[in-house]
Amino acid sequence: GDSVTQMEGPVTLSEEAFLTINCTYTATGYPSLFWYVQYPGEGLQLLLKATKADDKGSNKGFEATYRKETTSFHLEKGSVQVSDSAVYFCALGESGGYNKLIFGAGTRLAVHP
Amino acid sequence: GAGVSQSPSNKVTEKGKDVELRCDPISGHTALYWYRQSLGQGLEFLIYFQGNSAPDKSGLPSDRFSAERTGGSVSTLTIQRTQQEDSAVYLCASSYDGSGQGTEQYFGPGTRLTVT
Repeated sequence: GDSVTQMEGPVTLSEEAFLTINCTYTATGYPSLFWYVQYPGEGLQLLLKATKADDKGSNKGFEATYRKETTSFHLEKGSVQVSDSAVYFCALGESGGYNKLIFGAGTRLAVHP
Repeated sequence: GAGVSQSPSNKVTEKGKDVELRCDPISGHTALYWYRQSLGQGLEFLIYFQGNSAPDKSGLPSDRFSAERTGGSVSTLTIQRTQQEDSAVYLCASSYDGSGQGTEQYFGPGTRLTVT
């Protein structure tokens, strides 16, 4: 079945450092790909998405490109802030189905001043 | 506008008891999803409702779990004869239309269930 694998955390960075969180997927068909974020004490919210190969999703300085050849959707940000500290989830929405989401395990990011 | 709401926010129950968890989706959203977030299993899909179609129950872990959606709006997830492994945060999400590719799902704050 479809699955998502993302790098284990926690990831600890200093403010203004470059961030990469790796995400790869296994899927039949052409899924949509998402990054969701869960800030401390808050619910899951969509950060960015891409619906087809070579699409780039971006939001709040974060970017991820849908790479079909490497089945990847790595999350990047050029300069992280303390306020980016959260848990990040990579997810895929199955194609041809009901868009139920299959999530990766989540990566906790801690950014220090 | 109002987001997805869930109640109760926390529920502590004794093993063997039944529990009901409620979800109020965003008004006008036809698709509703239940997920479970637990330490051992991460975030798992449980069940999906789309309009008046038969629900996709493929993620329900056992026949102790059931869900219904009344009038195409409010949904209730019921867990019968709760077990300790049912302890988790139960998340509800809704979207405008579940059939569209890449449709965003909006999540509620979750219900934290603890089975003692």
